[in-house]
Amino acid sequence: DQQVKQNSPSLSVQEGRISILNCDYTNSMFDYFLWYKKYPAEGPTFLISISSIKDKNEDGRFTVFLNKSAKHLSLHIVPSQPGDSAVYFCAAVDYNTDKLIFGTGTRLQVFP
Amino acid sequence: GAGVSQSPSNKVTEKGKDVELRCDPISGHTALYWYRQSLGQGLEFLIYFQGNSAPDKSGLPSDRFSAERTGGSVSTLTIQRTQQEDSAVYLCASTATGRYGYTFGSGTRLTVV
Repeated sequence: DQQVKQNSPSLSVQEGRISILNCDYTNSMFDYFLWYKKYPAEGPTFLISISSIKDKNEDGRFTVFLNKSAKHLSLHIVPSQPGDSAVYFCAAVDYNTDKLIFGTGTRLQVFP
Repeated sequence: GAGVSQSPSNKVTEKGKDVELRCDPISGHTALYWYRQSLGQGLEFLIYFQGNSAPDKSGLPSDRFSAERTGGSVSTLTIQRTQQEDSAVYLCASTATGRYGYTFGSGTRLTVV
């Protein structure tokens, strides 16, 4: 069963607009959430994270929102740039095991 | 080293052969993960090493897969009697604290023909 779900396999956004990537999870023992970005032929790179005690974390153009009651988080990128085109993975850490579980990824394409 | 190093970067093998994939984590990182990404799929958890604790092998897809971590540093993922469905990119990640700042290697692309 998929504990971390990214229901949109792809997203296309115009340069300068906002990109919103969504992630849902089922395990209530997840207490820390991360977003990773992956370019082809490279390993994923850490982008931004959020603890379950917060509902928002911002870093430059990137903001992650967490809605614990809905078991939902989202990544906002604004303004979107062509260099943001990549696959974005949502990940969650299980409080009991420290195991990092990834979603299936969303491919973001930012066009001029 | 400065990052997580994986070797080889590419491996083509014949069905039925055994392969070994190597991961050199960042020095001092106590936690090490193996994941794989099949074509069009997400990152599938395989195995997790944390310090001297017994590894979490719950993600290994079959008994043809095994992994070890010697001296708390280098890890080797071994796939015996490879099958075509084993074709994927195998990624290794390490972290110092077990939950923050996971650093990934560039992966090993395994192709079973």
